[in-house]
Amino acid sequence: GAVVSQHPSRVICKSGTSVKIECRSLDFQATTMFWYRQFPKQSLMLMATSNEGSKATYEQGVEKDKFLINHASLTLSTLTVTSAHPEDSSFYICSARDVRERDGYTFGSGTRLTVV
Amino acid sequence: AQSVTQLGSHVSVSEGALVLLRCNYSSSVPPYLFWYVQYPNQGLQLLLKYTSAATLVKGINGFEAEFKKSETSFHLTKPSAHMSDAAEYFCAVRGYNQGGKLIFGQGTELSVKP
Repeated sequence: GAVVSQHPSRVICKSGTSVKIECRSLDFQATTMFWYRQFPKQSLMLMATSNEGSKATYEQGVEKDKFLINHASLTLSTLTVTSAHPEDSSFYICSARDVRERDGYTFGSGTRLTVV
Repeated sequence: AQSVTQLGSHVSVSEGALVLLRCNYSSSVPPYLFWYVQYPNQGLQLLLKYTSAATLVKGINGFEAEFKKSETSFHLTKPSAHMSDAAEYFCAVRGYNQGGKLIFGQGTELSVKP
């Protein structure tokens, strides 16, 4: 089945630095990628939606200059957390929508970001 | 706008007992509904989805869900719980005219007692 590879699975960074998270669709083309943030014991909060070759659409309240999303190809999307602070510590998950299957959403395994 | 509500943030059952996780939806158009499972520190795995075909949907690992329009519900069931079913479960609806994004419920943590 469809697989989305998300890396890194876990990262610790110093406050003020930037962190890049990658999501790759391994065996399908992802026209749309969704980026979520999840706090402990909570649901997934959609941060942004990105379509290949277009600028990402951010949800209300999400700082687009802080959470940079790039979707340059049909198989790769990246989320960069810039100038990270401890409050950015969270679990980030991507989800790719298969162009062949309108209702197919495949999730990455998530990235645990800890900012110290 | 679409939304889903999961009743009960935590459900505990004994091994071998029936699992029932509740989800109610709100949608002005025929909804597309999903159930996902999440194990600790992992992404989401699709259990099943309803896309306007058969109202009783069978999924993986013995789970099934029934779409009931009259009750605006899409409850998840499994006849006999296994210890390995202990996880977080999310109900979701596909947003209409919202870029196809999924809108998630609050989640239900399932515990299975030996």
